[in-house]
Amino acid sequence: GQNIDQPTEMTATEGAIVQINCTYQTSGFNGLFWYQQHAGEAPTFLSYNVLDGLEEKGRFSSFLSRSKGYSYLLLKELQMKDSASYLCAVREDSGYSTLTFGKGTMLLVSP
Amino acid sequence: NAGVTQTPKFRILKIGQSMTLQCAQDMNHNYMYWYRQDPGMGLKLIYYSVGAGITDKGEVPNGYNVSRSTTEDFPLRLELAAPSQTSVYFCASSYSSTGSYEQYFGPGTRLTVT
Repeated sequence: GQNIDQPTEMTATEGAIVQINCTYQTSGFNGLFWYQQHAGEAPTFLSYNVLDGLEEKGRFSSFLSRSKGYSYLLLKELQMKDSASYLCAVREDSGYSTLTFGKGTMLLVSP
Repeated sequence: NAGVTQTPKFRILKIGQSMTLQCAQDMNHNYMYWYRQDPGMGLKLIYYSVGAGITDKGEVPNGYNVSRSTTEDFPLRLELAAPSQTSVYFCASSYSSTGSYEQYFGPGTRLTVT
């Protein structure tokens, strides 16, 4: 089985930087995904990491350390529209691999 | 492309009723998934399919059934609805299970069983 932990809620100020952490314990590992989900909407893909290190995509970056079972999503120059839930998901290294999602971190950005 | 579409958007069922949630994708993806999401919880995998004619159980399959007769469609059937099945249901698809092929999600179906 898998255990994925993320903080339940975080708050930050517009223009600031916020880091959302995700730790996981899995029997295998074949990639980690971050999704953004606005209230009442479907999740949308943000980033994918399978090797250790930092992946940067505009204002968003995602980091992975496989030896520590740890990832973070870094959001820079926060905007009000970044208020959303951020879901960490892990893919195990199995034949027909599927994603296991964490419970998500609700980020509230205030003016 | 319409992407992943789901119908209906909202539905209220009485206990014991049955219904089918429809899901279709026009991206020629071979993998399709059904999730449920309860308040404050992450997405839980109900069933998934790796291609037409092939389906498999996820983490929470009890009370549900699926079929995959075509690449495009992946309906989810609820038999004998129970209040515990009140949830938001998301369908998703991806090109493959490996590589960086992310899952694309439909808009969801909000189901209430009373």
